[in-house]
Amino acid sequence: DTGVSQDPRHKITKRGQNVTFRCDPISEHNRLYWYRQTLGQGPEFLTYFQNEAQLEKSRLLSDRFSAERPKGSFSTLEIQRTEQGDSAMYLCASRDTGYGYTFGSGTRLTVV
Amino acid sequence: AQSVTQLDSQVPVFEEAPVELRCNYSSSVSVYLFWYVQYPNQGLQLLLKYLSGSTLVKGINGFEAEFNKSQTSFHLRKPSVHISDTAEYFCAVSDNNAGNMLTFGGGTRLMVKP
Repeated sequence: DTGVSQDPRHKITKRGQNVTFRCDPISEHNRLYWYRQTLGQGPEFLTYFQNEAQLEKSRLLSDRFSAERPKGSFSTLEIQRTEQGDSAMYLCASRDTGYGYTFGSGTRLTVV
Repeated sequence: AQSVTQLDSQVPVFEEAPVELRCNYSSSVSVYLFWYVQYPNQGLQLLLKYLSGSTLVKGINGFEAEFNKSQTSFHLRKPSVHISDTAEYFCAVSDNNAGNMLTFGGGTRLMVKP
């Protein structure tokens, strides 16, 4: 197993465009989390899935953000009508039953 | 609700010197505690975690941390740092609810000088 994979690593988009990120968790992990990290800050929780069910969403997740995890495998995070304030690193993590969280390398989004 | 405070935003230290990175948390319930390291343009790598048991936790790369419930602290220590330890370090807490999402501190940049 190669860990948590995120794609793309970098994304530059124009303001107002839609973007979608993908996360492939460790296959045995049924819990998957999305975090956002802005420059110089710690990661902030966005949303979490157990299998295919999205069980919790942060107030940070505005109605322009949507996340899915079809069939409880990979997950996607979509941002519609991007704004400059959406520029950040988007991190995905999956978790085993022993509270071992494994993070991916992240997708760095730049909105110009 | 829980929160994490990392008291130092930057810690400069000379190579082979000891270092302590401070972390305090607040929570109304029992918590699990974590330290992560982040190198530039990379994700987070787990250094160590406290779930229960011994309050002194040993992690990778020679790091250790001590859980102090009365002071609500979980400070990270290393007796002798290397240049390669230069990175951003994050303390995180997770409570015992179903989601167990992590709440992170603002990070401490460890800068090891030759």
